[in-house]
Amino acid sequence: GNSVTQMEGPVTLSEEAFLTINCTYTATGYPSLFWYVQYPGEGLQLLLKATKADDKGSNKGFEATYRKETTSFHLEKGSVQVSDSAVYFCALSSGAGSYQLTFGKGTKLSVIP
Amino acid sequence: DAGITQSPRHKVTETGTPVTLRCHQTENHRYMYWYRQDPGHGLRLIHYSYGVKDTDKGEVSDGYSVSRSKTEDFLLTLESATSSQTSVYFCAIRNDRRDEKLFFGSGTQLSVL
Repeated sequence: GNSVTQMEGPVTLSEEAFLTINCTYTATGYPSLFWYVQYPGEGLQLLLKATKADDKGSNKGFEATYRKETTSFHLEKGSVQVSDSAVYFCALSSGAGSYQLTFGKGTKLSVIP
Repeated sequence: DAGITQSPRHKVTETGTPVTLRCHQTENHRYMYWYRQDPGHGLRLIHYSYGVKDTDKGEVSDGYSVSRSKTEDFLLTLESATSSQTSVYFCAIRNDRRDEKLFFGSGTQLSVL
């Protein structure tokens, strides 16, 4: 079955530091890949997505590239801000008719001034 | 923001009692999902619906049932709540098969004592 593995958190960074959150996946076929973000007390929001190999998703300064050869979709940001403190989830779509999403366990990011 | 309302936002109940959580959407989206979020597990799919009266099980459906009698409402019922069902429950909606973006509600914190 499908699975997503994310780096364990929590991750604590100083403001303006470089961020990488690793994500690897196992899936049959050609899934779409996603990063969702959850701010404290809220539901998840789509941050970015990529639908095929070598696609780069980007939003709000975050980027991730769909690497089929390494089955990875690592999230990066060049300079984090305190407002980026949240839990980040990597996910993939099943590709079946219901398009169920399989989520990783989440990585909590704390950015300190 | 997508029009998704979950109710109640918080509930405390006792083991063995029935509990119903409601998800209401104003977007007329076809697909609706119930997830639970637990530390160390990320989000796991409980049940989903692909239309009125059309529902199917997710990966952690034991002990849960759902109903969808109208497009806008998706109910999750715990027939006899157990302490292992203490969790945060999220409802999500999706427009159609070509749009893989999920919109999430704000969640229901359920405590089973």
